[in-house]
Amino acid sequence: ETGVTQSPTHLIKTRGQQVTLRCSSQSGHNTVSWYQQALGQGPQFIFQYYREEENGRGNFPPRFSGLQFPNYSSELNVNALELDDSALYLCASSSGTSGSQETQYFGPGTRLLVL
Amino acid sequence: AQSVTQLDSQVPVFEEAPVELRCNYSSSVSVYLFWYVQYPNQGLQLLLKYLSGSTLVKGINGFEAEFNKSQTSFHLRKPSVHISDTAEYFCAVSEVTSGSRLTFGEGTQLTVNP
Repeated sequence: ETGVTQSPTHLIKTRGQQVTLRCSSQSGHNTVSWYQQALGQGPQFIFQYYREEENGRGNFPPRFSGLQFPNYSSELNVNALELDDSALYLCASSSGTSGSQETQYFGPGTRLLVL
Repeated sequence: AQSVTQLDSQVPVFEEAPVELRCNYSSSVSVYLFWYVQYPNQGLQLLLKYLSGSTLVKGINGFEAEFNKSQTSFHLRKPSVHISDTAEYFCAVSEVTSGSRLTFGEGTQLTVNP
């Protein structure tokens, strides 16, 4: 059984650019959540996907968008990057139905630096 | 909306000493409670969770936590820490009705010294 993987591990972008981060869920998991962890802070919920549909969103602007694919892998897209978008982006996958409390398994994260 | 307060940003202790990491939460509805650990340059790993039942929850690596509803607390304890326990610890909550969306605290850096 493979764990949650994320790519790339590190990324440097400039203000105004767009970025796509990728997550491969743990085998058998149909739910993926994305979190932003700024330096020295706890992770903040961006959004969740369940069976390819958005299933909840945190307090993030529309330039943060996502996709979940039939194989349950996922993408996080951020448009018009700002300096404050510099953070560790964490993906977490879990199994079960929408609203369940199955354990979330986190990937190692993608560290994004915006210059 | 819910919130989580971790009362100590840094906790230094000596090896084999006991430790308690404090977590208080605020929510207008019933919540589930979690503790995660983050080692340097890694993702989060679940230590333990409280969903229902016994208020004393045992987790991995010898950690345990006690849910106190009247004090809205969920403190993490370990009777004897090791150097390898040095890491960042996060308390998190999720509302019973909102699925697995987690709200995290700011984290507590536990440093175990020899």
